[in-house]
Amino acid sequence: KAGVTQTPRYLIKTRGQQVTLSCSPISGHRSVSWYQQTPGQGLQFLFEYFSETQRNKGNFPGRFSGRQFSNSRSEMNVSTLELGDSALYLCASRRDGAEAFFGQGTRLTVV
Amino acid sequence: AQRVTQPEKLLSVFKGAPVELKCNYSYSGSPELFWYVQYSRQRLQLLLRHISRESIKGFTADLNKGETSFHLKKPFAQEEDSAMYYCALIYGGATNKLIFGTGTLLAVQP
Repeated sequence: KAGVTQTPRYLIKTRGQQVTLSCSPISGHRSVSWYQQTPGQGLQFLFEYFSETQRNKGNFPGRFSGRQFSNSRSEMNVSTLELGDSALYLCASRRDGAEAFFGQGTRLTVV
Repeated sequence: AQRVTQPEKLLSVFKGAPVELKCNYSYSGSPELFWYVQYSRQRLQLLLRHISRESIKGFTADLNKGETSFHLKKPFAQEEDSAMYYCALIYGGATNKLIFGTGTLLAVQP
């Protein structure tokens, strides 16, 4: 079966712009979570959506937001981009009680 | 606060040598712990979860609640084991919120 798909794979944006990243989970997985991966901070949890509702939120500013659609696909949005937002953004999907499967990530570079 | 600690950023061993990647956690509830692996240019993937008690690719990990540890072990390292290893904790039961350690890069020398 198809794995977790993230689009786009690479993005370059300038400071102050906003960006939307997309994640298509594995079919049947209702939980989607997002992580930011940077060399300095490692993997940090952003938020989790389950059945179109945010179930958990990490310690990121309000510029980071997300949503989930009825087909479980999820998007995350970052507004007013800062240089420090440059990172690999990972999405993971999961059935409750089972393992989390990760996408290959979207590499965001803010210049 | 929930935390996962991996004290080694880099672990370098020779092929055939034993490997132990350390992981300690702090969590007030009953933890569910995992090891994830990221090979070069590949996505993050699950290696082990403590509740399954499986051995994957020769790796094992035992949850020690007394020492709050979940160390990853392999008796004989192979070059293909070279990768980044992350220990992670599920926080809050039926959620997808994984708390990761900072990772250990395992380099297996020929």
